[in-house]
Amino acid sequence: EAEVAQSPRYKITEKSQAVAFWCDPISGHATLYWYRQILGQGPELLVQFQDESVVDDSQLPKDRFSAERLKGVDSTLKIQPAELGDSAMYLCASSRGQGDYNEQFFGPGTRLTVL
Amino acid sequence: KNQVEQSPQSLIILEGKNCTLQCNYTVSPFSNLRWYKQDTGRGPVSLTIMTFSENTKSNGRYTATLDADTKQSSLHITASQLSDSASYICVVTINNLFFGTGTRLTVIP
Repeated sequence: EAEVAQSPRYKITEKSQAVAFWCDPISGHATLYWYRQILGQGPELLVQFQDESVVDDSQLPKDRFSAERLKGVDSTLKIQPAELGDSAMYLCASSRGQGDYNEQFFGPGTRLTVL
Repeated sequence: KNQVEQSPQSLIILEGKNCTLQCNYTVSPFSNLRWYKQDTGRGPVSLTIMTFSENTKSNGRYTATLDADTKQSSLHITASQLSDSASYICVVTINNLFFGTGTRLTVIP
């Protein structure tokens, strides 16, 4: 069964350092999402891609976060510099297309701890 | 105020017992309402999906209900198993996904 892949699964870094997360969506899925989930809360959308184009990055803290999906397949989310408040689970999801009836499939997430 | 509220925040039940989780929402009308199961350290996995006009959907031992008049949904788990221990998240979709904060269920032997 196809799955969304993410790496690394865990990342510990010191504040002010740069970190990067990678996501490989399910093959054929045009839409890719990055979410941040703080412990005990539901995920919040950071950025949504349709193929290689950003559809929604309104909640992405652009002073320190960046995301790219250069070839419309896998994607990278970067934080520079990391802050203590960035400690969270970063989830990647993909769906066949946009629209409310396209189910999003989530990856296992990357657990980030900023010291 | 969160547009999707879930209760209880956490729940502990004995293996084999039934339980019901609640979801109250203000996002209306919506395209669909999903219940997700999220194991610790894993991404959410979809259990059920209901459109605005549906009022019940089952997936094995999981049964979701929807009351559009009262803006409530519930997830009923029958004959709980240890593997049901997880967070259960209610998600309402209208253009974007509105996530609840989840209910943390622990099933003990």
